Amino acid sequence: EAQVTQNPRYLITVTGKKLTVTCSQNMNHEYMSWYRQDPGLGLRQIYYSMNVEVTDKGDVPEGYKVSRKEKRNFPLILESPSPNQTSLYFCASSLSSWGSDTQYFGPGTRLTVL
Amino acid sequence: AQSVAQPEDQVNVAEGNPLTVKCTYSVSGNPYLFWYVQYPNRGLQFLLKYITGDNLVKGSYGFEAEFNKSQTSFHLKKPSALVSDSALYFCAVSFGGSQGNLIFGKGTKLSVKP
Repeated sequence: EAQVTQNPRYLITVTGKKLTVTCSQNMNHEYMSWYRQDPGLGLRQIYYSMNVEVTDKGDVPEGYKVSRKEKRNFPLILESPSPNQTSLYFCASSLSSWGSDTQYFGPGTRLTVL
Repeated sequence: AQSVAQPEDQVNVAEGNPLTVKCTYSVSGNPYLFWYVQYPNRGLQFLLKYITGDNLVKGSYGFEAEFNKSQTSFHLKKPSALVSDSALYFCAVSFGGSQGNLIFGKGTKLSVKP
């Protein structure tokens, strides 16, 4: 089944404790991205990657890092999480970065930073 | 600035009645328009998109949307609502050269009562 998977689905952590949220897709997509969803704000892009070893900042990149060493994986790293990073995070992938390509989303990771 | 507006936070309809979820956008150039649905504790599921051509786009689960260039709108519609359609609906816009960034509206909660 074609899908985007994320782990963990739920995470509660404390301020300053480094964490990684994994994302993997099995559709051989070149483009991957991370979004965060906050009530009343919709989804906002954090980082994106147009291909292996090519990453760039989205609209809200502060406090996050990413890497793209393999085509299928795009982990999101919070090196020193803070409470304002409490949110619902989605990974997405699409065939390319062209705006008309459909992005397919993972199931989401609900992160709480205490 | 590119933006998407969903003017209604919540839409309430009775089962069997037609439903409309509104979306307007502001982008420079030609837009690519998307609708996604989010069921409780689930990721975003793609419903339909407009790229070019016929202004009426048909998608999954009996939903359709009409692109209106003069009114810069892309309203989601369904002739007969089901209780199972109750969910959070997001309109999103992209465009050529956007580097894959989907700009989302804030979401509209659809509630269908029996």
